[in-house]
Amino acid sequence: EAQVTQNPRYLITVTGKKLTVTCSQNMNHEYMSWYRQDPGLGLRQIYYSMNVEVTDKGDVPEGYKVSRKEKRNFPLILESPSPNQTSLYFCASSQTQQGTGQPQHFGDGTRLSIL
Amino acid sequence: AQSVAQPEDQVNVAEGNPLTVKCTYSVSGNPYLFWYVQYPNRGLQFLLKYITGDNLVKGSYGFEAEFNKSQTSFHLKKPSALVSDSALYFCAVRDISGAGSYQLTFGKGTKLSVIP
Repeated sequence: EAQVTQNPRYLITVTGKKLTVTCSQNMNHEYMSWYRQDPGLGLRQIYYSMNVEVTDKGDVPEGYKVSRKEKRNFPLILESPSPNQTSLYFCASSQTQQGTGQPQHFGDGTRLSIL
Repeated sequence: AQSVAQPEDQVNVAEGNPLTVKCTYSVSGNPYLFWYVQYPNRGLQFLLKYITGDNLVKGSYGFEAEFNKSQTSFHLKKPSALVSDSALYFCAVRDISGAGSYQLTFGKGTKLSVIP
């Protein structure tokens, strides 16, 4: 089954304790992206990656890091989490063919609470 | 910069009635437009997209949307609402003409409630 898998689904942690949210897709997609969803703000893009070793900032990259060492994985790293990063996070992936608009496939989300 | 506006936080409609969820966009070049739906505790699911061609696009679950370039709108519609359509709906835009053309910008979402 084609899917995007995020882990963990839920996490409560404390300020300053480094954490990683993993994202893996089994569709051989080139494009992967991270979003955060906050009430009244919709989804905002954090980082995206066009392919292995190619990443770029989205609208709200501060406080986050990403890496793309393998095509299927795109982890989101919070080196020193703060309470304002408490949010619902989504990973997504899609094919990229120049000149077309491929829909993104989303994971089920990771709810992070930073105390 | 690209942006999306969904002017209604919530839309209520009676079951069996037609529904419309509004979306307007702003891009400097040409847009790709998308609608996604989110059910509770789930990720977003793709409904439909406009890339080029016919301004009326049809998607999943009986939904359709009309691209209107002069009004920069891409409203989501369905002729007859079902209770199971109750969910959070997001419009998204990608400006394919400039730098950052793979960046996707979402609206804030519209909660659709279909009343039995």
